[in-house]
Amino acid sequence: DAGVIQSPRHEVTEMGQEVTLRCKPISGHNSLFWYRQTMMRGLELLIYFNNNVPIDDSGMPEDRFSAKMPNASFSTLKIQPSEPRDSAVYFCASSLQQGGARSNQPQHFGDGTRLSIL
Amino acid sequence: SQKIEQNSEALNIQEGKTATLTCNYTNYSPAYLQWYRQDPGRGPVFLLLIRENEKEKRKERLKVTFDTTLKQSLFHITASQPADSATYLCALDPDSSASKIIFGSGTRLSIRP
Repeated sequence: DAGVIQSPRHEVTEMGQEVTLRCKPISGHNSLFWYRQTMMRGLELLIYFNNNVPIDDSGMPEDRFSAKMPNASFSTLKIQPSEPRDSAVYFCASSLQQGGARSNQPQHFGDGTRLSIL
Repeated sequence: SQKIEQNSEALNIQEGKTATLTCNYTNYSPAYLQWYRQDPGRGPVFLLLIRENEKEKRKERLKVTFDTTLKQSLFHITASQPADSATYLCALDPDSSASKIIFGSGTRLSIRP
């Protein structure tokens, strides 16, 4: 079974450039999560979607970050303009949420995009 | 303030011994806790989930406990092996109205032969 697929695996770009990270969730999953991981702050939730609709974007650091999910099989996280402090590993995860809002299904993670902003 | 705390220092265990990792939380009332394993350069992988009304959950050599009074979960690996070396993350649901989870900072476990 194909897992969560993220691209690119590595991205190095200069400050001020636009960065787009991509994610293909597991087929049939209805929730998608974007995380950022750094040594200092650990694994932080940026935004999550249920049925392609953004539910909680309170973790998005600022207006330079935006995320979209145009359909059930694709999501993007965009940073424009990028800054050196955005350097981190960005993970996408998906899950199948059932029943009530406080569901308890495991999340399946991709292997991340390691982003370096020079 | 709300916190999820795991052993910040790495845990070094002799092969064959039981490794015990701790997850403490403050000012949360989670309905469940999850444990994940993360290897270098990889995303976290789900291991176990335990609900608030469950005291203990087992899966092969893994055991998780959940004490809502102490606000603590313990994660045990029995008969540890070098292949168990990884970072282990606990996560909980912070909000009864949402399907998101919040992760602790993780504990790095090293099993020496």
